[in-house]
Amino acid sequence: GAVVSQHPSWVICKSGTSVKIECRSLDFQATTMFWYRQFPKQSLMLMATSNEGSKATYEQGVEKDKFLINHASLTLSTLTVTSAHPEDSSFYICSASDSGVFGETQYFGPGTRLLVL
Amino acid sequence: GENVEQHPSTLSVQEGDSAVIKCTYSDSASNYFPWYKQELGKRPQLIIDIRSNVGEKKDQRIAVTLNKTAKHFSLHITETQPEDSAVYFCAAIPLGYSTLTFGKGTMLLVSP
Repeated sequence: GAVVSQHPSWVICKSGTSVKIECRSLDFQATTMFWYRQFPKQSLMLMATSNEGSKATYEQGVEKDKFLINHASLTLSTLTVTSAHPEDSSFYICSASDSGVFGETQYFGPGTRLLVL
Repeated sequence: GENVEQHPSTLSVQEGDSAVIKCTYSDSASNYFPWYKQELGKRPQLIIDIRSNVGEKKDQRIAVTLNKTAKHFSLHITETQPEDSAVYFCAAIPLGYSTLTFGKGTMLLVSP
């Protein structure tokens, strides 16, 4: 159990375009989903926390108008990088937790590698 | 907020040796401490976790110890194998919160 999928696995786009990344919990209902960003050889940086049906909570320094997060259901959260620029190129990873069965445990998706040209 | 320090940043061992990675945390209210293993280009995978009401937990070659007084916890890997090579992250979360605070990671290299 506790499988999280992410789509797409990689994307290359032109500067100025928007990119949507999907995160799904396949075999459990995720009350909370998290979006992280990871640069090469660095740790995971939390961008935002989203709860189903409510607005995401963004970490300090993360532009909410640039990184749009929607958590429409208990199994799906999306991250849209709007007007992407080369500095947005990174590895984006989502995770999901179920405050019931798994408690605080977070299970990670496989990540999406974004390259903005 | 919580601050997690992790050491060492890199660790090289010979196959069969033990490896120890240490983390300290700042918030005494933290009560859940997971360890994740991340292979290059892949997702972090939970390998073991411990809660504050337990001092030690073991799962085959992997063990985690927790010292609440000193606010530090450690990952112990015995009889290391080349496939243990990866980046390991510790994390902590205070009671009542949902967000994990991660350490900066330790790159473990196990040489045959």
